[in-house]
Amino acid sequence: EVQLLESGGGLVQPGGSLRLSCAASGFAFRNYAVNWVRQAPGQGLEWVSVISGRGDTTLYSASVEGRFTLSRDDSKNTVFLQLTSLRADDTAIYYCVKDRTVPWDAFDLWGQGTMVTVSS
Amino acid sequence: DIQMTQSPSTLSPSVGDTVTITCRASQSVTISLAWYQQKPGKAPKLLIYKASSLESGVPSRFSGSGSGTQFTLTISSLQPDDFATYYCQQYQSRRTFGQGTKVELK
Repeated sequence: EVQLLESGGGLVQPGGSLRLSCAASGFAFRNYAVNWVRQAPGQGLEWVSVISGRGDTTLYSASVEGRFTLSRDDSKNTVFLQLTSLRADDTAIYYCVKDRTVPWDAFDLWGQGTMVTVSS
Repeated sequence: DIQMTQSPSTLSPSVGDTVTITCRASQSVTISLAWYQQKPGKAPKLLIYKASSLESGVPSRFSGSGSGTQFTLTISSLQPDDFATYYCQQYQSRRTFGQGTKVELK
């Protein structure tokens, strides 16, 4: 089955860190860019970050630049999003999302999401 | 960064109506524009890519048009399953979503 499965979300205090994982299956993972998109409770979608299929390009939104780090391990078909210096406004569902084609495209496969709550 | 502005924010059509949602980019995104549908508690679903290409499995009542900075999503003969929130997204430079348009039951 073609799918993305996120894990690693949870409750963390302001200033804390978390590492989210996204495990892919059912497609040639190493060929595709993978993104993270988040959605705060009751709010719209916000693109967070993307890593290219070759892993040589990573881009971040201004709101997370310098605090989040995206990486991939193609041997494990997994991407990792390291979240540091977390703030209350980082509270959201974090979705792992695959580009439709190379090199960059729309998002054709979404995970079910993992919830990150930043609160004391 | 490229900003995306959708209008309207909310629509209250009836089943069978034709619905039009507009998305405007702050600078040209050529045709690097997608539309998504999201239902409560679910991940978004791709409807349209490259401004006007219908994703596999999406009903033909959904259509997209436009290029540059002005884009439109049209739903012809709205069905009960179409009540949801719709987002546009550019992927020309990084990625940006519009703020969403909620299509709700009148």
